[in-house]
Amino acid sequence: GQNIDQPTEMTATEGAIVQINCTYQTSGFNGLFWYQQHAGEAPTFLSYNVLDGLEEKGRFSSFLSRSKGYSYLLLKELQMKDSASYLCAVNQAGTALIFGKGTTLSVSS
Amino acid sequence: EAQVTQNPRYLITVTGKKLTVTCSQNMNHEYMSWYRQDPGLGLRQIYYSMNVEVTDKGDVPEGYKVSRKEKRNFPLILESPSPNQTSLYFCASSADGPEYEQYFGPGTRLTVT
Repeated sequence: GQNIDQPTEMTATEGAIVQINCTYQTSGFNGLFWYQQHAGEAPTFLSYNVLDGLEEKGRFSSFLSRSKGYSYLLLKELQMKDSASYLCAVNQAGTALIFGKGTTLSVSS
Repeated sequence: EAQVTQNPRYLITVTGKKLTVTCSQNMNHEYMSWYRQDPGLGLRQIYYSMNVEVTDKGDVPEGYKVSRKEKRNFPLILESPSPNQTSLYFCASSADGPEYEQYFGPGTRLTVT
C-alpha cells in the first residue's frame, strides 16, 4: 500500500522558522516533491529531492531521508504571503505522483 | 507564455449528463495527468499519460475516461456524472514524467446536482 502523512495545520509568526514534516510508505519510491498552494489557486513547485540530504533554495529548504521514509520542508524568515497549503508528493515508480493531504500554514503578524 | 489551460473553469451540471473538461499545454510536454482535490482528502490522481496514445489509471479512475490523441491535449470525460464527482479538478503536465516539475492548470470547479 501507500501512505503519506503530514500535519493538517500549523501556525507561526512572521519572521519565524517553521518545519513541515512528511512521512511516507510507498512502493517504488523515486523521489519526493514539495508544492505550495494558495487558497483558490493551483499548486506551484517548490522542490524535488531524490537523494538523501538537504536542498536549499532561498528561504526554503527541503530534506530527505530515504531510509527513514521522511522529508521536511523548512521555511525561514516567514512572511504573511507564506500562508498557504504545503503539499508533499511522492514519485511512485516513475509513473504516478501520490500526494499527501497537505499542511495548511497560517502566518500571523 | 508557457501554460496549461483548462475549460470550463466552472461548471454546474445534472446527474447523468455527459461532459468533457478540456486540458491543453503549449510546452511540448510528454507527461500529462488529471487530479481531483477534495477537502480533507488532498489531491488524488485520476489518470495520467506518459505519451500520445499511452494512458494509465491513477488512484481514483472510476467514473472517468481520458484520451491522448495529440501531445498537447488531454481531455477528461465524465460519461455519466454523479454527485460524488463534485470536486475541484486540476490538469497538470511535465516534461517527461512525474520526476519533473508539474505545471498545473488553473482548475475546474465542477458541481453535479
